[in-house]
Amino acid sequence: DAKTTQPPSMDCAEGRAANLPCNHSTISGNEYVYWYRQIHSQGPQYIIHGLKNNETNEMASLIITEDRKSSTLILPHATLRDTAVYYCIVRVPNYGGSQGNLIFGKGTKLSVKP
Amino acid sequence: KAGVTQTPRYLIKTRGQQVTLSCSPISGHRSVSWYQQTPGQGLQFLFEYFSETQRNKGNFPGRFSGRQFSNSRSEMNVSTLELGDSALYLCASSLARVDEQFFGPGTRLTVL
Repeated sequence: DAKTTQPPSMDCAEGRAANLPCNHSTISGNEYVYWYRQIHSQGPQYIIHGLKNNETNEMASLIITEDRKSSTLILPHATLRDTAVYYCIVRVPNYGGSQGNLIFGKGTKLSVKP
Repeated sequence: KAGVTQTPRYLIKTRGQQVTLSCSPISGHRSVSWYQQTPGQGLQFLFEYFSETQRNKGNFPGRFSGRQFSNSRSEMNVSTLELGDSALYLCASSLARVDEQFFGPGTRLTVL
């Protein structure tokens, strides 16, 4: 079972920041937080991941609370193309070749509206 | 560079038949995972192959099987198809020492 809890849906106005929350109260010390998104009828797309420090890349920012029990994915200027289901996943990373499996929950359906 | 490719993109079969789906990972990626996505169960892990060996397996019946070739291309096979096997089958590849998984567009299987 997924170890994360996300709201089933959220709306965001185009051009505004989208803040997607995720609870992972049972996260272990060596587990990272990953975010993927799936645009309708496409394969999931990796967004970002982090351990305990805030992370930023060209797509998004990831804010992890100090106790690591929750995190927020931030899309700074949402566009209509960001409409998708966003999945928050916690796992121990695999760097040895074998990638293991991602356990997807139900995610948050983000609707960006004009 | 080219992304993960999956063939065919769409497939219609009838109950009792078998099907083979193909996945070509990104060049240089040696790990390939398969997932099934249905409206009811969401995205579920099927199995993973690395260097032609199955490394992980999800909770699916033995009708679901796979293999990986020396060029890292992978196939999955479903025998004795059931209506409930109708789903989007997704393949993901990954490069060693990088934990990001790259997904293909999927194969939409419909079982009638």
